[in-house]
Amino acid sequence: QVQLVESGGDLVKPGGSLRLSCTASGFIFTDYYMNWIRHSPGKGLEWLSYISPASHDIMYADSVRGRFAISRDNAKRTVYLQMNSLRVDDTAVYYCAFPARLARDWGQGTKVTVSS
Amino acid sequence: DVVMTQSPLSLPVTLGQPASISCRSTQGLLYSDGSTYLNWFQQRPGQSPRRLIYKVSNRDSGVPDRFSGSGSGTDFTLTISRVEAEDVGVYYCMQGTHWPWTFGQGTKVEI
Repeated sequence: QVQLVESGGDLVKPGGSLRLSCTASGFIFTDYYMNWIRHSPGKGLEWLSYISPASHDIMYADSVRGRFAISRDNAKRTVYLQMNSLRVDDTAVYYCAFPARLARDWGQGTKVTVSS
Repeated sequence: DVVMTQSPLSLPVTLGQPASISCRSTQGLLYSDGSTYLNWFQQRPGQSPRRLIYKVSNRDSGVPDRFSGSGSGTDFTLTISRVEAEDVGVYYCMQGTHWPWTFGQGTKVEI
């Protein structure tokens, strides 16, 4: 069955960086766009970014463009979210999900806390 | 950005009775491929969101048939025909037509 496992969440100071990972199993990874979505008490659910199978098509929400970078390693069946210049309002549970537009499957989430 | 507005935000329900949640978008959700990317999710406490309905009215595998979705254009509805205790949680609509794809604020369903 489909499984998405996120990791990398942590407590980090404002201005710091983190890299989240999401490892997939149970489906043909190279057939699908992969996505990062976050859930925070203040902003609710927010779709942050997606990446196409060959990494040619990438999009970001305005709130993270220029600070976050999505990437994927198809050989490792893993999608990443590099998060730089973190702010207090980036505090959230971060989920990977697929497919694009439809979000049928989600991981369990990884918690990121940005605080001094 | 397309704003998704749900109502009500809090929905007290009675077991065995129907319940419905409205979702309105600030733009029409018909995509160029002919699909309307309006999805509904349920989130129970401590769990990840679970998709219930995709493309307005298609029920996901394993979702009880008491859940149904309807609507078109900018107005959509999730209906629970007879509420059961396990339906407690927060429900979100989400549009996948216009980037950035956006979610409603959530409707808390409680007994």
